[in-house]
Amino acid sequence: KAGVTQTPRYLIKTRGQQVTLSCSPISGHRSVSWYQQTPGQGLQFLFEYFSETQRNKGNFPGRFSGRQFSNSRSEMNVSTLELGDSALYLCASSVVEETQYFGPGTRLLVL
Amino acid sequence: AQSVTQPDIHITVSEGASLELRCNYSYGATPYLFWYVQSPGQGLQLLLKYFSGDTLVQGIKGFEAEFKRSQSSFNLRKPSVHWSDAAEYFCAVGARRGSTLGRLYFGRGTQLTVWP
Repeated sequence: KAGVTQTPRYLIKTRGQQVTLSCSPISGHRSVSWYQQTPGQGLQFLFEYFSETQRNKGNFPGRFSGRQFSNSRSEMNVSTLELGDSALYLCASSVVEETQYFGPGTRLLVL
Repeated sequence: AQSVTQPDIHITVSEGASLELRCNYSYGATPYLFWYVQSPGQGLQLLLKYFSGDTLVQGIKGFEAEFKRSQSSFNLRKPSVHWSDAAEYFCAVGARRGSTLGRLYFGRGTQLTVWP
């Protein structure tokens, strides 16, 4: 099976812009979770989707949003980008609540 | 509140030496337990997991981990380290049920350096 794929892999934006990141889960996986990884804060949970419904949300401002489509693909959006949003954004997929398999991540740089 | 502690930020070992990376967790019940490894610029690769049963679990690349309920620990071990094991290692816990399903709590990671 193909693994979790994330696009784009690298992204450079300027403050105030918005960005959309995409995640395609492993075939048959219906749960998709998103994490932000920074040197200062480590790995932080953003949100999790299952069957197109957000089941869980981390402690991030409303500028961070996401959605999941009927084919389980997921997108996350960050509006009004800030310098502090520069991070590696990781997507993971799983079968229901079990093991999460991670994609390679999207490296976002905000200038 | 759920939390994961990896006490060692950085560990250096010689190639061929044994390795133990520590992980302690705080959780309301026995969670799912995981170890992941991350190479620079890459995503997280699953090394091993504990759900139930035998408390000593085997993973990929010759790694193993032991779950000790009394100590709330899930330490990762490898008898002989290879230079290619140099990476960052993350311990994580996940819920078996309840409001935090689908969410993993991670430790801050342990950076492993291997001397030739």
